[in-house]
Amino acid sequence: NAGVTQTPKFQVLKTGQSMTLQCAQDMNHNSMYWYRQDPGMGLRLIYYSASEGTTDKGEVPNGYNVSRLNKREFSLRLESAAPSQTSVYFCASSRQVYTEAFFGQGTRLTVV
Amino acid sequence: GQQLNQSPQSMFIQEGEDVSMNCTSSSIFNTWLWYKQEPGEGPVLLIALYKAGELTSNGRLTAQFGITRKDSFLNISASIPSDVGIYFCAGPSPNHFNSGGSNYKLTFGKGTLLTVNP
Repeated sequence: NAGVTQTPKFQVLKTGQSMTLQCAQDMNHNSMYWYRQDPGMGLRLIYYSASEGTTDKGEVPNGYNVSRLNKREFSLRLESAAPSQTSVYFCASSRQVYTEAFFGQGTRLTVV
Repeated sequence: GQQLNQSPQSMFIQEGEDVSMNCTSSSIFNTWLWYKQEPGEGPVLLIALYKAGELTSNGRLTAQFGITRKDSFLNISASIPSDVGIYFCAGPSPNHFNSGGSNYKLTFGKGTLLTVNP
């Protein structure tokens, strides 16, 4: 049972490059999330999708876009990467927004 | 910004000691979640609380949903070295920027870093 799968696990980008982080869940959950984690800042919500077909901004959406491709998949895109986007990115999913969420293993992104 | 305040930020304890940490919110929560994150891993759910006053245990861990619905507590009894990690509280907080998706978003505290000395 895979749960939440994120790809890639590691990535190094040059400033200005673009990339898409992929996330898929196999738990038939309605809600999916993207968080970033920086030292001392905890987990900050970037974007989330309460249900298929909807997306909402979180606390730190600037510089990112998301796509809820279908019920299983939720991608995060960096159009023009900046060093400030160096972070660990986590995808999560839950049955509903107010129920327990399950996390992927994370993507460690470095922008140089 | 975040509406959850976790304390303490960090704890250094001896193996065998009990641990207490808490989380407070500026708004009422209907759900409290507690997670643990180990180095290099994603957060893992420990306990979920859905009712004010609820007390739930998971092995040596016990969590409580505060009566005011604005706080929650996590206790670890008889700590062991593998309890080391960051403990996060989380809950659905109001989404003031709802663009048609949801009135709530899942918000996390900044975490409590626990170090256990053998």
